[in-house]
Amino acid sequence: GAVVSQHPSWVICKSGTSVKIECRSLDFQATTMFWYRQFPKQSLMLMATSNEGSKATYEQGVEKDKFLINHASLTLSTLTVTSAHPEDSSFYICSARRTAHISYNSPLHFGNGTRLTVT
Amino acid sequence: DQQVKQNSPSLSVQEGRISILNCDYTNSMFDYFLWYKKYPAEGPTFLISISSIKDKNEDGRFTVFLNKSAKHLSLHIVPSQPGDSAVYFCAASGGSGGSNYKLTFGKGTLLTVNP
Repeated sequence: GAVVSQHPSWVICKSGTSVKIECRSLDFQATTMFWYRQFPKQSLMLMATSNEGSKATYEQGVEKDKFLINHASLTLSTLTVTSAHPEDSSFYICSARRTAHISYNSPLHFGNGTRLTVT
Repeated sequence: DQQVKQNSPSLSVQEGRISILNCDYTNSMFDYFLWYKKYPAEGPTFLISISSIKDKNEDGRFTVFLNKSAKHLSLHIVPSQPGDSAVYFCAASGGSGGSNYKLTFGKGTLLTVNP
Protein backbone atom coordinates (compact mmCIF):
# COMPACT_ATOMS: atom_id res chain seq x y z
CA GLY A 1 0.00 0.00 0.00
CA ALA A 2 0.89 3.66 -0.24
CA VAL A 3 3.48 4.87 2.19
CA VAL A 4 3.41 8.52 1.11
CA SER A 5 0.14 10.40 0.85
CA GLN A 6 -0.24 13.61 -1.08
CA HIS A 7 -3.20 15.96 -1.01
CA PRO A 8 -4.94 17.29 -3.00
CA SER A 9 -4.61 15.10 -6.08
CA TRP A 10 -5.69 17.96 -8.30
CA VAL A 11 -6.47 21.63 -7.85
CA ILE A 12 -7.61 24.46 -10.08
CA CYS A 13 -6.98 27.99 -8.90
CA LYS A 14 -7.12 31.49 -10.24
CA SER A 15 -4.03 33.43 -11.12
CA GLY A 16 -2.67 35.33 -8.15
CA THR A 17 -3.93 32.96 -5.50
CA SER A 18 -1.87 30.58 -3.38
CA VAL A 19 -2.15 26.83 -3.22
CA LYS A 20 -0.93 24.48 -0.49
CA ILE A 21 0.00 20.88 -1.17
CA GLU A 22 0.50 18.42 1.66
CA CYS A 23 2.77 15.42 1.72
CA ARG A 24 2.57 12.87 4.53
CA SER A 25 4.59 9.79 5.29
CA LEU A 26 2.05 7.27 6.48
CA ASP A 27 3.83 4.66 8.53
CA PHE A 28 7.31 6.00 8.95
CA GLN A 29 9.12 9.15 9.95
CA ALA A 30 10.82 11.13 7.22
CA THR A 31 13.38 13.70 8.25
CA THR A 32 13.85 14.53 4.60
CA MET A 33 11.26 14.85 1.88
CA PHE A 34 11.75 15.83 -1.71
CA TRP A 35 9.53 17.90 -3.96
CA TYR A 36 9.57 17.24 -7.69
CA ARG A 37 7.85 18.89 -10.59
CA GLN A 38 7.02 17.31 -13.92
CA PHE A 39 5.99 19.02 -17.11
CA PRO A 40 4.29 16.96 -19.82
CA LYS A 41 6.65 14.50 -21.48
CA GLN A 42 9.51 15.74 -19.35
CA SER A 43 11.47 14.15 -16.56
CA LEU A 44 10.85 14.64 -12.89
CA MET A 45 12.81 17.68 -11.82
CA LEU A 46 13.86 18.09 -8.22
CA MET A 47 12.68 21.43 -6.89
CA ALA A 48 13.78 21.29 -3.29
CA THR A 49 14.75 19.13 -0.38
CA SER A 50 12.55 19.59 2.66
CA ASN A 51 14.29 19.13 5.99
CA GLU A 52 12.37 18.65 9.22
CA GLY A 53 13.02 21.47 11.61
CA SER A 54 15.18 23.51 9.27
CA LYS A 55 15.06 25.43 6.04
CA ALA A 56 14.50 23.71 2.76
CA THR A 57 17.29 23.42 0.24
CA TYR A 58 16.25 24.66 -3.17
CA GLU A 59 17.65 23.63 -6.52
CA GLN A 60 19.14 26.19 -8.80
CA GLY A 61 16.51 28.19 -10.62
CA VAL A 62 13.71 27.45 -8.15
CA GLU A 63 12.34 30.56 -6.44
CA LYS A 64 12.18 29.90 -2.73
CA ASP A 65 9.86 32.84 -2.14
CA LYS A 66 7.43 31.45 -4.65
CA PHE A 67 7.54 27.83 -3.59
CA LEU A 68 7.36 27.88 0.18
CA ILE A 69 8.23 24.63 1.90
CA ASN A 70 7.46 23.83 5.50
CA HIS A 71 8.49 20.57 7.15
CA ALA A 72 6.91 21.01 10.55
CA SER A 73 6.91 17.42 11.68
CA LEU A 74 8.55 14.11 10.86
CA THR A 75 5.53 13.03 8.86
CA LEU A 76 4.38 16.19 7.11
CA SER A 77 5.86 18.54 4.53
CA THR A 78 3.90 21.22 2.72
CA LEU A 79 4.57 23.06 -0.51
CA THR A 80 2.80 26.36 -1.02
CA VAL A 81 2.76 27.87 -4.47
CA THR A 82 2.34 31.56 -3.79
CA SER A 83 0.75 34.00 -6.23
CA ALA A 84 0.31 31.24 -8.74
CA HIS A 85 0.42 31.99 -12.45
CA PRO A 86 -0.50 29.85 -15.45
CA GLU A 87 3.14 28.92 -16.01
CA ASP A 88 3.11 27.25 -12.59
CA SER A 89 0.61 24.73 -13.89
CA SER A 90 2.33 21.39 -13.57
CA PHE A 91 2.38 18.05 -11.82
CA TYR A 92 3.97 18.29 -8.38
CA ILE A 93 5.12 15.14 -6.61
CA CYS A 94 6.61 14.64 -3.19
CA SER A 95 8.74 11.76 -2.04
CA ALA A 96 10.47 10.45 1.04
CA ARG A 97 12.85 7.79 2.22
CA ARG A 98 12.21 5.70 5.27
CA THR A 99 14.59 6.94 7.91
CA ALA A 100 15.08 3.39 9.13
CA HIS A 101 17.14 2.77 6.01
CA ILE A 102 20.69 3.82 6.72
CA SER A 103 21.93 3.78 3.18
CA TYR A 104 21.31 6.81 1.04
CA ASN A 105 20.57 4.34 -1.69
CA SER A 106 17.23 3.30 -0.25
CA PRO A 107 14.50 3.97 -2.79
CA LEU A 108 12.28 6.97 -2.69
CA HIS A 109 8.60 6.46 -2.05
CA PHE A 110 6.46 8.85 -4.02
CA GLY A 111 3.09 10.36 -3.38
CA ASN A 112 0.49 10.23 -6.14
CA GLY A 113 1.17 13.78 -7.14
CA THR A 114 -0.90 16.94 -7.44
CA ARG A 115 -2.04 18.28 -10.78
CA LEU A 116 -2.11 22.07 -10.46
CA THR A 117 -3.92 24.14 -13.07
CA VAL A 118 -3.77 27.90 -12.79
CA THR A 119 -6.33 29.77 -14.85
CA ASP B 1 22.23 19.40 -19.95
CA GLN B 2 20.43 16.15 -19.37
CA GLN B 3 22.53 13.77 -17.32
CA VAL B 4 20.16 10.83 -17.61
CA LYS B 5 18.78 10.09 -21.04
CA GLN B 6 16.06 7.78 -22.18
CA ASN B 7 16.15 8.21 -25.92
CA SER B 8 13.09 6.14 -26.70
CA PRO B 9 9.93 7.98 -25.70
CA SER B 10 7.85 4.88 -26.37
CA LEU B 11 8.11 1.14 -26.89
CA SER B 12 5.49 -1.36 -27.96
CA VAL B 13 5.87 -5.12 -27.49
CA GLN B 14 3.70 -8.18 -27.70
CA GLU B 15 2.57 -9.98 -24.57
CA GLY B 16 4.98 -12.74 -23.63
CA ARG B 17 7.94 -11.20 -25.43
CA ILE B 18 10.85 -9.34 -23.92
CA SER B 19 10.75 -5.60 -23.26
CA ILE B 20 14.08 -3.81 -23.21
CA LEU B 21 14.18 -0.27 -21.91
CA ASN B 22 17.39 1.66 -22.29
CA CYS B 23 19.00 4.46 -20.34
CA ASP B 24 22.26 6.37 -20.78
CA TYR B 25 23.97 8.68 -18.36
CA THR B 26 26.77 11.19 -18.63
CA ASN B 27 27.79 11.84 -15.05
CA SER B 28 30.58 9.45 -14.06
CA MET B 29 29.91 10.20 -10.40
CA PHE B 30 26.61 8.34 -10.50
CA ASP B 31 26.96 5.09 -8.62
CA TYR B 32 23.43 3.94 -8.01
CA PHE B 33 20.68 3.47 -10.53
CA LEU B 34 17.00 2.85 -10.15
CA TRP B 35 14.01 2.15 -12.31
CA TYR B 36 10.59 3.51 -11.45
CA LYS B 37 7.27 2.64 -12.99
CA LYS B 38 4.49 5.19 -13.28
CA TYR B 39 0.84 4.77 -14.14
CA PRO B 40 -1.24 7.79 -15.22
CA ALA B 41 -2.33 10.07 -12.37
CA GLU B 42 -0.15 8.21 -9.90
CA GLY B 43 3.29 8.80 -8.46
CA PRO B 44 6.23 6.64 -9.55
CA THR B 45 6.76 3.35 -7.76
CA PHE B 46 10.14 1.79 -7.24
CA LEU B 47 10.83 -1.24 -9.40
CA ILE B 48 14.45 -2.32 -9.20
CA SER B 49 17.88 -0.86 -8.58
CA ILE B 50 21.54 -1.61 -9.15
CA SER B 51 24.72 -0.44 -7.56
CA SER B 52 27.72 0.43 -9.70
CA ILE B 53 29.67 -2.43 -8.16
CA LYS B 54 27.38 -4.85 -9.95
CA ASP B 55 26.57 -5.38 -13.59
CA LYS B 56 23.32 -7.24 -13.16
CA ASN B 57 20.45 -7.39 -10.71
CA GLU B 58 17.46 -9.62 -11.09
CA ASP B 59 14.07 -9.60 -9.41
CA GLY B 60 11.50 -11.95 -10.86
CA ARG B 61 10.62 -10.88 -14.37
CA PHE B 62 12.75 -7.76 -14.10
CA THR B 63 16.49 -7.60 -14.70
CA VAL B 64 18.63 -4.51 -14.82
CA PHE B 65 21.98 -4.57 -16.59
CA LEU B 66 24.67 -1.97 -16.06
CA ASN B 67 27.56 -1.27 -18.41
CA LYS B 68 29.70 1.27 -16.60
CA SER B 69 32.23 1.73 -19.36
CA ALA B 70 29.46 2.65 -21.76
CA LYS B 71 27.50 4.54 -19.12
CA HIS B 72 24.48 2.56 -20.12
CA LEU B 73 21.87 0.56 -18.31
CA SER B 74 18.87 -1.38 -19.46
CA LEU B 75 15.78 -2.89 -17.94
CA HIS B 76 14.59 -6.23 -19.26
CA ILE B 77 11.09 -7.47 -18.62
CA VAL B 78 10.48 -11.12 -19.46
CA PRO B 79 7.82 -12.15 -20.18
CA SER B 80 6.04 -8.87 -20.74
CA GLN B 81 2.47 -8.61 -19.53
CA PRO B 82 -0.27 -6.09 -20.39
CA GLY B 83 -0.17 -4.87 -16.79
CA ASP B 84 3.41 -3.76 -17.38
CA SER B 85 2.13 -1.00 -19.64
CA ALA B 86 3.27 2.21 -17.98
CA VAL B 87 5.91 4.90 -18.15
CA TYR B 88 9.30 3.72 -16.94
CA PHE B 89 11.76 6.21 -15.51
CA CYS B 90 15.44 5.62 -15.16
CA ALA B 91 17.05 7.47 -12.26
CA ALA B 92 20.55 7.87 -10.93
CA SER B 93 22.19 9.10 -7.78
CA GLY B 94 25.69 9.54 -6.50
CA GLY B 95 28.44 12.06 -6.12
CA SER B 96 29.86 13.77 -3.12
CA GLY B 97 28.26 15.51 -0.18
CA GLY B 98 24.60 16.40 -0.30
CA SER B 99 24.19 15.30 -3.89
CA ASN B 100 24.24 11.72 -2.68
CA TYR B 101 20.60 11.99 -1.81
CA LYS B 102 19.38 13.47 -5.04
CA LEU B 103 17.91 11.48 -7.84
CA THR B 104 18.26 12.59 -11.42
CA PHE B 105 15.55 11.23 -13.67
CA GLY B 106 15.32 10.55 -17.36
CA LYS B 107 12.28 11.66 -19.35
CA GLY B 108 10.72 8.23 -19.24
CA THR B 109 9.72 5.62 -21.78
CA LEU B 110 6.10 4.67 -22.34
CA LEU B 111 5.86 0.90 -22.58
CA THR B 112 2.79 -0.61 -24.17
CA VAL B 113 2.36 -4.37 -23.97
CA ASN B 114 -0.22 -5.59 -26.43
CA PRO B 115 -2.31 -8.69 -25.62
